Amino acid sequence: GAVVSQHPSRVICKSGTSVKIECRSLDFQATTMFWYRQFPKQSLMLMATSNEGSKATYEQGVEKDKFLINHASLTLSTLTVTSAHPEDSSFYICSTLTGNGYTFGSGTRLTVV
Amino acid sequence: TQLLEQSPQFLSIQEGENLTVYCNSSSVFSSLQWYRQEPGEGPVLLVTVVTGGEVKKLKRLTFQFGDARKDSSLHITAAQPGDTGLYLCASLNTDKLIFGTGTRLQVFP
Repeated sequence: GAVVSQHPSRVICKSGTSVKIECRSLDFQATTMFWYRQFPKQSLMLMATSNEGSKATYEQGVEKDKFLINHASLTLSTLTVTSAHPEDSSFYICSTLTGNGYTFGSGTRLTVV
Repeated sequence: TQLLEQSPQFLSIQEGENLTVYCNSSSVFSSLQWYRQEPGEGPVLLVTVVTGGEVKKLKRLTFQFGDARKDSSLHITAAQPGDTGLYLCASLNTDKLIFGTGTRLQVFP
């Protein structure tokens, strides 16, 4: 089945720095990628939808200048958390829709210290 | 935006007990999916229900879709420690998958 590879799985960064999270579709072309955020003991909240070759669509309340999304190719979408703060610490997961339904990456645990 | 409320939020039970998790919406679902997520991983699809009144079984798991397609339930028979995880219902909103509030299940041996 379709595989989505997310990297890194864990990252610790200092407050004020930026972190890039990559999501790759390994055996199919992903024109659309969804980015979710999950705080401890909570559900997944959709942050934005990235579309290959065009601007991402952000959900209400998500700062587009803070969470930069780039989807420059059909196999790679990236989420950059800029000027990270401790409150950005969370589990970030990407997902894409394939012929078999939604496929999720394994997630990135971001800790901002 | 469609809101999906799950209940209970947390459930802690002994191995062998039965349990039911509920998912309710303020509006009609076009279709509904149930996922299970383990810590540090992405959610894994359990089932998709589409038709009102539909019942699907997956081993010890029984999924029911309400007649009006505004609610769904997940029943687990004889729960096992391996059932421990976060159970999420999710609804399609155009192409976007919107998740419910989640039910965290802990099954003790």
